[in-house]
Amino acid sequence: GQQVMQIPQYQHVQEGEDFTTYCNSSTTLSNIQWYKQRPGGHPVFLIQLVKSGEVKKQKRLTFQFGEAKKNSSLHITATQTTDVGTYFCAGPMRSSSNTGKLIFGQGTTLQVKP
Amino acid sequence: DTGVSQNPRHKITKRGQNVTFRCDPISEHNRLYWYRQTLGQGPEFLTYFQNEAQLEKSRLLSDRFSAERPKGSFSTLEIQRTEQGDSAMYLCASSLAGRGLAGSYNEQFFGPGTRLTVL
Repeated sequence: GQQVMQIPQYQHVQEGEDFTTYCNSSTTLSNIQWYKQRPGGHPVFLIQLVKSGEVKKQKRLTFQFGEAKKNSSLHITATQTTDVGTYFCAGPMRSSSNTGKLIFGQGTTLQVKP
Repeated sequence: DTGVSQNPRHKITKRGQNVTFRCDPISEHNRLYWYRQTLGQGPEFLTYFQNEAQLEKSRLLSDRFSAERPKGSFSTLEIQRTEQGDSAMYLCASSLAGRGLAGSYNEQFFGPGTRLTVL
């Protein structure tokens, strides 16, 4: 079946270090979304990428969609303690027919040591 | 607060009991989704409504689970004869079909979730 995988599952960094999480889909995706979930919180939408090779930036966060539209990455430059949380990528479920149903990766949990 | 709300936030029940959760989406959103999330995993799709119509139900959802969205507003998720394996966070999300405010399609807004513990 359709799968979305993320690596690494956990990452501990020193404040100020960079962080990258990678997302791989078993199928080509029409778009990919990224969400952040703080400890004890709920997923919050960060961004959506639609075009092959697309790169978008939000301050210290850089999101990339692969040329084949099967992988994506999120890079955080100079992490801060406010970046702590779990980052999920999500793509439309294969049968979704633009219903917006998403299949999520298992997430990468980021811990930042001050 | 104009976000998605869910009630109750926590529910502890004994195995075999029935439970019902409520979700109030963002008022102008016509799409509503239920997800289940267990520790260390991403949200897992359960069911989806467009307005009041339940258009899809995951194969993971047994017949003990039922969801409704009367009048296309709030939604309820009922679990009958709960089992310990039902223990999880149940998340509701809503979205607007088409392009959202940020220019994205089907951006989903999640509620705080209902944490279910079945003893």
